[in-house]
Amino acid sequence: GNSVTQMEGPVTLSEEAFLTINCTYTATGYPSLFWYVQYPGEGLQLLLKATKADDKGSNKGFEATYRKETTSFHLEKGSVQVSDSAVYFCALGKHTGNQFYFGTGTSLTVIP
Amino acid sequence: DGGITQSPKYLFRKEGQNVTLSCEQNLNHDAMYWYRQDPGQGLRLIYYSQIVNDFQKGDIAEGYSVSREKKESFPLTVTSAQKNPTAFYLCASTELAGRSSYNEQFFGPGTRLTVL
Repeated sequence: GNSVTQMEGPVTLSEEAFLTINCTYTATGYPSLFWYVQYPGEGLQLLLKATKADDKGSNKGFEATYRKETTSFHLEKGSVQVSDSAVYFCALGKHTGNQFYFGTGTSLTVIP
Repeated sequence: DGGITQSPKYLFRKEGQNVTLSCEQNLNHDAMYWYRQDPGQGLRLIYYSQIVNDFQKGDIAEGYSVSREKKESFPLTVTSAQKNPTAFYLCASTELAGRSSYNEQFFGPGTRLTVL
């Protein structure tokens, strides 16, 4: 079947620290992979995406590389800011059936 | 601006009442989805629809109903049969995969439902 396993939180970092949030997936075929961010009381916003192996998605200093050999899509940022505090969701999208599979989310708090 | 709107933002319901959550999109997307999110948890799929007048149950459809009479609208009714309806409800939409290389889902701002 299809599923996403995401690093459990919560994660607390100091400002300017390096961030990694692990995400691995199980899927048949060739899914697209996504990271979404959710701020308190709001919907999910697309942060970045990758549609094929070895693609790197990037946005606002965040990066993630689609690794088919390790079935991973880890989120990284070199220097986090207080404004990055949010919940981050890894997701897998299958063209067949237009289904999405979400991880459980990782809460990030960045302290000054 | 194109996007998804959900209303109301906050909704209070007495036990035994049915309530309807609105979701409208002007992105011309074919597929629409309803998710439920509980505190500290991920998203669980309630219902989805890929075409007007057709929809499928997701993982937790019991106690919920939907309709898809128009492409841009996908309202969700939380019925009295739903035993624990207090949650944050998110609506999403996407293009069908055949029309786009990217099938990311776009989300509305959500409706927080509280049962009194």
